[in-house]
Amino acid sequence: GAVVSQHPSRVICKSGTSVKIECRSLDFQATTMFWYRQFPKQSLMLMATSNEGSKATYEQGVEKDKFLINHASLTLSTLTVTSAHPEDSSFYICSARDRRGGWGETQYFGPGTRLLVL
Amino acid sequence: GQSLEQPSEVTAVEGAIVQINCTYQTSGFYGLSWYQQHDGGAPTFLSYNALDGLEETGRFSSFLSRSDSYGYLLLQELQMKDSASYFCAVKYYGNNRLAFGKGNQVVVIP
Repeated sequence: GAVVSQHPSRVICKSGTSVKIECRSLDFQATTMFWYRQFPKQSLMLMATSNEGSKATYEQGVEKDKFLINHASLTLSTLTVTSAHPEDSSFYICSARDRRGGWGETQYFGPGTRLLVL
Repeated sequence: GQSLEQPSEVTAVEGAIVQINCTYQTSGFYGLSWYQQHDGGAPTFLSYNALDGLEETGRFSSFLSRSDSYGYLLLQELQMKDSASYFCAVKYYGNNRLAFGKGNQVVVIP
């Protein structure tokens, strides 16, 4: 149980195009999903918190008009990188929080999406 | 503000024990989590400390001391497959958002 998928796993696009990344919780409902970005040899940096049915909360320094987040259902959140540029090339990882909560760890990570902008 | 400091890299032989430390400068959080990440992969949950003290999960143990703003992950009986990056992460109140430390790369050699 507690599986999170991401699609696509890898994408190469031209500069200026938009790329949509999907994050799905496969066997649980997630009221909250998180989007992270990770550059090579660096840590995961939280970009935004996505709440089902409401606007995402962005971390300081993350452009909300560039990184559009939609959390339309309890099992799906999407991140759209608009007008992507080479500096947006990175590893994008989502995680989903099981709505049932609990005392222990209830946040599960997707396998990540590697974006390369040429 | 918040800051999670971790040393950068350690090399150890198979069968050895490695301790990865994590210091933080934050308050008001649920607990401290530890994740493993292999090159090109996603983070994998290892351990979580909500309370002070030691949590043991097989070969891996994690410790938290809120009064010292300090935690550590102990890797025992190291295996080659343990070569990876290890991150501590503070889980904040509210929506459970995680703030990751800088990470520590462990290289296991024969």
